[in-house]
Amino acid sequence: EVQVLESGGGLVQPGASLRLSCAASGFNFVSYDMAWVRQAPGKGLEWVCTISGSGRTYYADSVKGRFTVSRDNSKNSLYLQMTSLRGDDSAVYYCAKVGTAAGTVDHWGQGTLVTVSS
Amino acid sequence: NFVLTQPHSVSESPGKTVTISCTGSGGSIASSFVQWYQQRPGRAPTTVIYEDNRRPSGVPDRFSAFIDSSSNSASLTISGLQTEDEADYYCQSYYGTTWVFGGGTKLTVL
Repeated sequence: EVQVLESGGGLVQPGASLRLSCAASGFNFVSYDMAWVRQAPGKGLEWVCTISGSGRTYYADSVKGRFTVSRDNSKNSLYLQMTSLRGDDSAVYYCAKVGTAAGTVDHWGQGTLVTVSS
Repeated sequence: NFVLTQPHSVSESPGKTVTISCTGSGGSIASSFVQWYQQRPGRAPTTVIYEDNRRPSGVPDRFSAFIDSSSNSASLTISGLQTEDEADYYCQSYYGTTWVFGGGTKLTVL
């Protein structure tokens, strides 16, 4: 069974950094792109970034230069390093497994909440 | 920029059929696959349609989707509505390496 499980969310002050993790299981991790998608309270889904199995990365303009996505294929793990956090980064962050076709999600994690507030 | 626009909300009665639209602007919706995600209140999203019109295993065939190139839109149709279908529905596609989500449609089954 495919599972992706996020961790690392919490309450941080503006300007701080935070690292999210996503543990994956049930599939050949290195063969699939992975993505982070976020959802601000009461708002819709917003794509944050994608990373290919080989480590190529792509970012939304709203996070480019502040967020860094990475993966450790030996640990079946995905990470999101977030720096210079702002109030509008407050959201539930979902780890997503990309399907066989690029740009499609076939499995979602349960999400981890990040709150940026003083 | 490629934008996907959905109606804010739709409502229909149990047993009926409802269609949710997703209209593209700034590009051709037929150029990339469209996906549809269901998000029940307080829950994570799940995929109900991928690659325009394919259903993941476990998604009932009451869910179907269609791409209309003439109107540059995608649509999700749910037939035989059940109360459990009440949720937010998001369309999603991509251009190049950038993903785009529609704003979401709240489906009320009353």
